[in-house]
Amino acid sequence: DIQMTQSPSSLSASVGDRVTITCRASQDISHYLAWYQQRPGKIPRLLIYAASTLQSGVPSRFSGSGSGTDFTLTINSLQPEDVATYYCQKYHSAPPLTFGGGTKVEIK
Amino acid sequence: EMQLLESGGELVQPGGSLRLSCAASDFRFSNYAMSWVRQAPGKGLEWVASISGSGAYTFYADSVKGRFTVSRDNSRNTLYLEMDSLRAEDTALYYCAKDPLFDSSGYYFYWYFDLWGRGTLVTVSS
Repeated sequence: DIQMTQSPSSLSASVGDRVTITCRASQDISHYLAWYQQRPGKIPRLLIYAASTLQSGVPSRFSGSGSGTDFTLTINSLQPEDVATYYCQKYHSAPPLTFGGGTKVEIK
Repeated sequence: EMQLLESGGELVQPGGSLRLSCAASDFRFSNYAMSWVRQAPGKGLEWVASISGSGAYTFYADSVKGRFTVSRDNSRNTLYLEMDSLRAEDTALYYCAKDPLFDSSGYYFYWYFDLWGRGTLVTVSS
């Protein structure tokens, strides 16, 4: 099965900073990658699908890039409401579906 | 507003059984594949099972295959997860989640999730 590895596992940044989270697949998954945000105590929320397509209603400071095995979620100008854990999920050759281990983003 | 509402989670002994339900509202339930995703306390997300809109196709994670059964009643707009031979490692918050593909045939998936319920907690312990 394809494994998804996220890095870092946690980070701390200041309001207004640019934040980058990486997700690496153990095999080529083309562009079949989604990103979710899970705020503390809340349910997951779809941010990006097809590696770079922003879900309706998601602020434009979020962006995704990459294809093949290496993907990035970028938050331009980090806001207090962005404190959350972010998960990538591959859906290439599904099932199975596989999530990354998560990246916890905090405000410095 | 589209909504998913899970129920049925509770404390159960190892080896026991439980049935979870997920009631959907404000979308054409039968035209969307649905899934269950779980999250153990303090841990990440784990896909559990998926079912096509028609109910004809079902898929399971290896960790639950042979013990869990996903089904749906499109006349009641409800998704189910029948859980047997429960183990301590099945303890988690169980979410139901909707596939974004509107599929009139009821057979296809996009395999990611654009709507999540609030979850129902299953605790397996003696």
